[in-house]
Amino acid sequence: LAKTTQPISMDSYEGQEVNITCSHNNIATNDYITWYQQFPSQGPRFIIQGYKTKVKNEVASLFIPADRKSSTLSLPRVSLSDTAVYYCLLTDTGRRALTFGSGTRLQVQP
Amino acid sequence: DAGVTQSPTHLIKTRGQHVTLRCSPISGHKSVSWYQQVLGQGPQFIFQYYEKEERGRGNFPDRFSARQFPNYSSELNVNALLLGDSALYLCASSLTYSPTTTDTQYFGPGTRLTVL
Repeated sequence: LAKTTQPISMDSYEGQEVNITCSHNNIATNDYITWYQQFPSQGPRFIIQGYKTKVKNEVASLFIPADRKSSTLSLPRVSLSDTAVYYCLLTDTGRRALTFGSGTRLQVQP
Repeated sequence: DAGVTQSPTHLIKTRGQHVTLRCSPISGHKSVSWYQQVLGQGPQFIFQYYEKEERGRGNFPDRFSARQFPNYSSELNVNALLLGDSALYLCASSLTYSPTTTDTQYFGPGTRLTVL
């Protein structure tokens, strides 16, 4: 099973851009890269998904280099409410279950 | 539109008891998955159901079972509860079970189960 590796924790200040990098050296051709956000005692919330190059939506951007062995979630101008755990996952059409790692705990300070 | 709903919100049981957790998917979604999240860890996959059939099972003992009803709601049952079953149980729904797309899974708020 392909695995992902991401930092255990990160700290930032309000208004800064935060980039969380995820390594997935054994990513398969059919794998998509998906990010979820989770607040304490709540279910994970889908943020963004991509296959290659760059994807952007109203809350985040996802950068994926050509070799797809890593990806970077970019959160522009974070606020205190962005304090959460962020999970990087590989998803494909054949593997329906989501495999979560330990995630990155982002702490945003005033 | 309502998101995924789960009941109850919190539950306290004692060892050896049985528990039933319930989930209603987003309207129009036909697939439901269950996850267990122990404090400090990421969610772990338990089951996935689509059109009332089990489509996937994680590495959990037979004490865990589930089913999906004609209205696509689902129940997770856990028998002979152990202290280690204390966790947040999450339900996620997705639109279909297509072999050609990566359907996004949308999670409910979870049921916090405490086993004493």
